[in-house]
Amino acid sequence: AQRVTQPEKLLSVFKGAPVELKCNYSYSGSPELFWYVQYSRQRLQLLLRHISRESIKGFTADLNKGETSFHLKKPFAQEEDSAMYYCALRGPNDYKLSFGAGTTVTVRA
Amino acid sequence: GAGVSQSPSNKVTEKGKDVELRCDPISGHTALYWYRQSLGQGLEFLIYFQGNSAPDKSGLPSDRFSAERTGGSVSTLTIQRTQQEDSAVYLCASSPSGIGYEQYFGPGTRLTVT
Repeated sequence: AQRVTQPEKLLSVFKGAPVELKCNYSYSGSPELFWYVQYSRQRLQLLLRHISRESIKGFTADLNKGETSFHLKKPFAQEEDSAMYYCALRGPNDYKLSFGAGTTVTVRA
Repeated sequence: GAGVSQSPSNKVTEKGKDVELRCDPISGHTALYWYRQSLGQGLEFLIYFQGNSAPDKSGLPSDRFSAERTGGSVSTLTIQRTQQEDSAVYLCASSPSGIGYEQYFGPGTRLTVT
C-alpha cells in the first residue's frame, strides 16, 4: 500500500530562518513525488515535482530513495511562505495522487 | 485562460438531504478528479474520469456518493442522505490526460452538514 506521512502538523519559523518540511513515503517501486501549496484563500497549486529538479520560490526538495523521504527546504523563509503544504505521491503509471495530511507553516516577522 | 471552477463555493445542508456539487474543468482537459479535504485528514481521492467514463471509483466512501460527467466536460458529484461525517471541502482537479500530467485544482466546495 502507498502512504505519505508528514509528521509535523504545524511549523513556525522566524523570517530569514531556514525551514524544512518533512515527508516520508512508502511505495513498492519508483513513485513520482510532489509538493503542493495552498496559500490563504487560494486554490491548491503545484509547488514542485521531483523529476523536474527545479527550485521554485527558493524551495528545493531532494528525493532520498534510501530513506524514502522527500523533504522540502528553504534556506531563508519569507512571510509570504506562510501556507499549508502537502506532500503527494503518484505511481509511475498511475493518475491519482496520494496526499499527506499537510503541514501548516507560519513565518513570523 | 480560465482555471477549474466549482460551484457552489459553500453549501450548508441538513442531515439526510441530498446535495450536488459541480465542477467545470479546464477546456480540453480529458481527465477529471474529485478529492475530499477533511480537517486533519489531508486530501483523499474519490473518483477519476477519463472523458465521460469513470475507470476508478475506488475512493467513493459509500454508495451514497456518485458522480457523473457529461460531454467530456462538466462533472457533478452527488451525495445522497448526507451525514455529518460528509462535512469537508470537496476539490475537483483536471489534467490534459490521466498519466504523467500536472493536475490543476479548483477552489473547492465547502460542505457543512448540520
